[in-house]
Amino acid sequence: EAGVTQSPTHLIKTRGQQATLRCSPISGHTSVYWYQQALGLGLQFLLWYDEGEERNRGNFPPRFSGRQFPNYSSELNVNALELEDSALYLCASSLGGGPGEETQYFGPGTRLLVL
Amino acid sequence: AQKITQTQPGMFVQEKEAVTLDCTYDTSDPSYGLFWYKQPSSGEMIFLIYQGSYDQQNATEGRYSLNFQKARKSANLVISASQLGDSAMYFCAMREELSDYKLSFGAGTTVTVRA
Repeated sequence: EAGVTQSPTHLIKTRGQQATLRCSPISGHTSVYWYQQALGLGLQFLLWYDEGEERNRGNFPPRFSGRQFPNYSSELNVNALELEDSALYLCASSLGGGPGEETQYFGPGTRLLVL
Repeated sequence: AQKITQTQPGMFVQEKEAVTLDCTYDTSDPSYGLFWYKQPSSGEMIFLIYQGSYDQQNATEGRYSLNFQKARKSANLVISASQLGDSAMYFCAMREELSDYKLSFGAGTTVTVRA
């Protein structure tokens, strides 16, 4: 069974540009989560999508946005990139959001570098 | 306040020995889940083990076991018979029902297994 996949593996952008990161969940999983892992800041929750809807959002500015498609894959968009957005962005999926369905399985991540 | 505290930034362990990684958590939610993940240098987060707040018995998965002490709010990970491939960063995480199921991570513990 295929795991969570993310693309691209690496992304280099300049300040002010936009970045789009993609994630495909494990087959049968309807929930997708995005996390940011910046150096020295640990893993921070960004967004949670379930059944096409945004269910929860972390403490990030509105220029971090995303969506979930009917096939449950997801996109994370970061507008007006800043140097401090450089980080590893991890996507995770779970069966659902309720009790017993909550184990999150992670993808390999996208390393974003903002110059 | 930190929801998850991992007090050991780094540990060395001899191959074939057991190692215990500490994790304490803070929550007032009666329903929560505790997770341990392994992150090798490649960056991917690998799910290791899960403990639910209502589980009566400590979770075990192969060489991994979770020493769950609910009254002390601790969820230590024990890795038995360490292998060189166990060298990685280990994260403790918690998911609370009242916080809409997002994962809160600790700062992580780096484990280095020596031959």
